Amino acid sequence: KAGVTQTPRYLIKTRGQQVTLSCSPISGHRSVSWYQQTPGQGLQFLFEYFSETQRNKGNFPGRFSGRQFSNSRSEMNVSTLELGDSALYLCASSLRRSGSGYTFGSGTRLTVV
Amino acid sequence: DQQVKQNSPSLSVQEGRISILNCDYTNSMFDYFLWYKKYPAEGPTFLISISSIKDKNEDGRFTVFLNKSAKHLSLHIVPSQPGDSAVYFCAASELDDKIIFGKGTRLHILP
Repeated sequence: KAGVTQTPRYLIKTRGQQVTLSCSPISGHRSVSWYQQTPGQGLQFLFEYFSETQRNKGNFPGRFSGRQFSNSRSEMNVSTLELGDSALYLCASSLRRSGSGYTFGSGTRLTVV
Repeated sequence: DQQVKQNSPSLSVQEGRISILNCDYTNSMFDYFLWYKKYPAEGPTFLISISSIKDKNEDGRFTVFLNKSAKHLSLHIVPSQPGDSAVYFCAASELDDKIIFGKGTRLHILP
């Protein structure tokens, strides 16, 4: 079966712009979580969605937002981009909230210049 | 406030020997612990997990040990192989809550 698909793979944006990243989970998976990976900071939790509802949110400013559609696809949006937002953004899907069931996508590499 | 800590940014081990990766946590409410492995340009992949009611879980060459009193867990890989060279993330969750990851340890397997 197809894995978790994240688009685009790479993105270059200018400070002040906004960006939307997309995640298509594994078919049948209803939970989608987003993480930010930066050098030296590991994977930092952004938010989790289950059946179109945000169930959990990490400690990120309001510029970071997300949503989930009825087909479980998810998007995250970052507005007013800052240089520090440059990172690898990873999406993970699972049938339910279970760490062992997490399947990660390959990520979207965002560079803010 | 880092709840999951991996204090060694990198580790080098000779091929065939044992690799031991360590992880400490601060939240005593964590009840599920996991290890993920990540290669460059790929997402993390699940390796092994352990529930807080156990102190050891083994899967082939990989064994995870949990010491709840010390709030410490470790991942043992034996024997280490070249394909084990990757970044390893320790992670934990509390009662079906979000998963918190450490900063990762880069493992180099030397020929």
